[in-house]
Amino acid sequence: DIVMTQSPDSLAVSLGERATINCKSSQSVLYSSNNQNYLAWYQQKPGQPPKLLIYWASTRESGVPDRFSGSGSGTDFTLTISSLQAEDVAVYYCQQYYSTPLTFGGGTKVKIK
Amino acid sequence: QITLKESGPTLVKPTQTLTLTCTFSGFSLTTSGVAVGWIRQPPGKALEWLALIYWNDDEHYSPSLRSRLTITKDTSKNQVVLTMTNMDPVDTATYFCAHSFGSAYYPPYDYWGQGTLVTVSS
Repeated sequence: DIVMTQSPDSLAVSLGERATINCKSSQSVLYSSNNQNYLAWYQQKPGQPPKLLIYWASTRESGVPDRFSGSGSGTDFTLTISSLQAEDVAVYYCQQYYSTPLTFGGGTKVKIK
Repeated sequence: QITLKESGPTLVKPTQTLTLTCTFSGFSLTTSGVAVGWIRQPPGKALEWLALIYWNDDEHYSPSLRSRLTITKDTSKNQVVLTMTNMDPVDTATYFCAHSFGSAYYPPYDYWGQGTLVTVSS
């Protein structure tokens, strides 16, 4: 199984400031034949299902604000919220879809400082 | 507009079999590349992928739960059913079904149901 490790577990950021979440996979999720990283990011607000934010490590899902960006390759990935808004308070998960079993990170809780 | 909705019992006893139904609309599970998966989330914990089924009947399961899980589809009813045998209190969780479609073999989940909380207790 590919183990996904997120850090930090939680972070508090002031409104308008940058939030950075890290995700590390136990093996590469970069598929050499198409040079794509099989890594997605989700946002989950309390009482709601997860919402897909980013796939292929850096492609924003339709309708996702451009303050959300994804980067990284191979085994190390980052989700950045460039200017935190009140509605961004949530838990964020990374997920690899390189191989089964599909696996998620443990989640990072983002709060307002 | 794609929607999915989970249904099933909210309370099951230990050792019983859980049957959950995902009823969806806005897409067809006969369309090439489409899949429906099941993911669960124990209270206050992270997401755990369970199983998925493709338009072509290909099935994949979490190895740790493989012996207990069965996923099936009924395209005429637009439903996917997950059964989990020998339920235990540690299986208490919110169970989500979700849609995926894309060029990856296991595309990420772009539409999710609201989830259904299943409690396992005697």
